[in-house]
Amino acid sequence: DIVMIQSPDSLAVSLGERVNITCRSSQSVLYTSNKRNYLAWYQQKPGHPPRLLTYWSSTRESGVPDRFTGSGSGTDFTLTISPLQAEDVAVYYCQQYYSYPSTFGQGTKLDIK
Amino acid sequence: EVQLLESGGGFVQPGGSLRLSCEASGFTFDTVAMSWVRQAPGRGLEWVSVVYSGGVSTYYGDSVKGRFTISRDNSRNTLYLQMHSLTEEDTAVYYCAKNHMGGYSLYALDVWGQGTLVTVSS
Repeated sequence: DIVMIQSPDSLAVSLGERVNITCRSSQSVLYTSNKRNYLAWYQQKPGHPPRLLTYWSSTRESGVPDRFTGSGSGTDFTLTISPLQAEDVAVYYCQQYYSYPSTFGQGTKLDIK
Repeated sequence: EVQLLESGGGFVQPGGSLRLSCEASGFTFDTVAMSWVRQAPGRGLEWVSVVYSGGVSTYYGDSVKGRFTISRDNSRNTLYLQMHSLTEEDTAVYYCAKNHMGGYSLYALDVWGQGTLVTVSS
């Protein structure tokens, strides 16, 4: 199984600042035939289901604000939020869908400093 | 509006069985793969299972393989999860979710239901 490790586990950042959350996979999730990284990012607020933010590592889902940016390839990925807004307080998860079983990172809890 | 509505959760004793349902609306159900994802109280997300659009191909997470069965009824726009031999470790909110594209692989999950809580306890 592919293990997904996120860092940090939690962080607190001031409003308007930049946030970087990283996700590392135990093996590459880059499918060489189509050059796509099978990696998605989700946001989950308390009491709500997850919300898809980006897929193919960097494609932003429709309706997601452009302050959310996904990047990375192979085994190392980053979700950047800039500038941070109050409504971005949530837990963020990465997910690989390259191979079964699909696996999620452990989550990164984001708060306002 | 695209919607997924889970039902069937509840309280069950260890060793028991339960069947979850997820009714879909607002999209062409029989063209996309569908998944179940669960979340234990205060914990992270765990992918459980996927069924491809035709209903034949299915895949499972290691912790549920052999105990859970995913299925779908495309005529009823409904996804199911039959769960057997439940243990306290299966206590979680169970979400159904749809692929953002495609019916014959697992991709990112773009629409999620509100979830149904399964509690396994003696």
